[in-house]
Amino acid sequence: EAGVAQSPRYKIIEKRQSVAFWCNPISGHATLYWYQQILGQGPKLLIQFQNNGVVDDSQLPKDRFSAERLKGVDSTLKIQPAKLEDSAVYLCASSLMGQGTDTQYFGPGTRLTVL
Amino acid sequence: DQQVKQNSPSLSVQEGRISILNCDYTNSMFDYFLWYKKYPAEGPTFLISISSIKDKNEDGRFTVFLNKSAKHLSLHIVPSQPGDSAVYFCASLTVSGGGADGLTFGKGTHLIIQP
Repeated sequence: EAGVAQSPRYKIIEKRQSVAFWCNPISGHATLYWYQQILGQGPKLLIQFQNNGVVDDSQLPKDRFSAERLKGVDSTLKIQPAKLEDSAVYLCASSLMGQGTDTQYFGPGTRLTVL
Repeated sequence: DQQVKQNSPSLSVQEGRISILNCDYTNSMFDYFLWYKKYPAEGPTFLISISSIKDKNEDGRFTVFLNKSAKHLSLHIVPSQPGDSAVYFCASLTVSGGGADGLTFGKGTHLIIQP
């Protein structure tokens, strides 16, 4: 079974530029999550989708971050404009139904460096 | 305010001995506690979990203990093997009626198994 796919793996941009990350969850998984992991910290949830609807985006900085999952499968996370403090690894995860007891499977992440 | 705390950034254990990783939490509403393992350049992978109504869960060499009165959980690995060298994250979640079940992570403990 293929795991969660993410691209690109690495991205370097200058502050005030925009950037987008892509995630393809495990086939059949209804729930998709985006986490931000700053160096030395644990992952922090940014947004959770159930199919193509948003379940939780309370920690998403909505003035610069946006995410979509239009067809309920793959998802895109965008940052516009980027700030230095956005440098982090962006992890995508998916689970079967998002019912708490379902295991969340993580992709390898996209490492973003903002100069 | 950190709701999940891992106070030991690193832990060194000799191969064959027991590794004990600790985690404290502040939110009494957490329903599940989980441990994830992370190798460099990979996403976290699920290791073991425990429901808040239990005090112990065992899976092979891995056992998680939960002390609700102390708001403390620990992961025991016996015997420790070289492949166990990784960063271990403690995580928790609250199952809500709305379906939000994003994980709250600690900062992680880097376990080093020495030959």
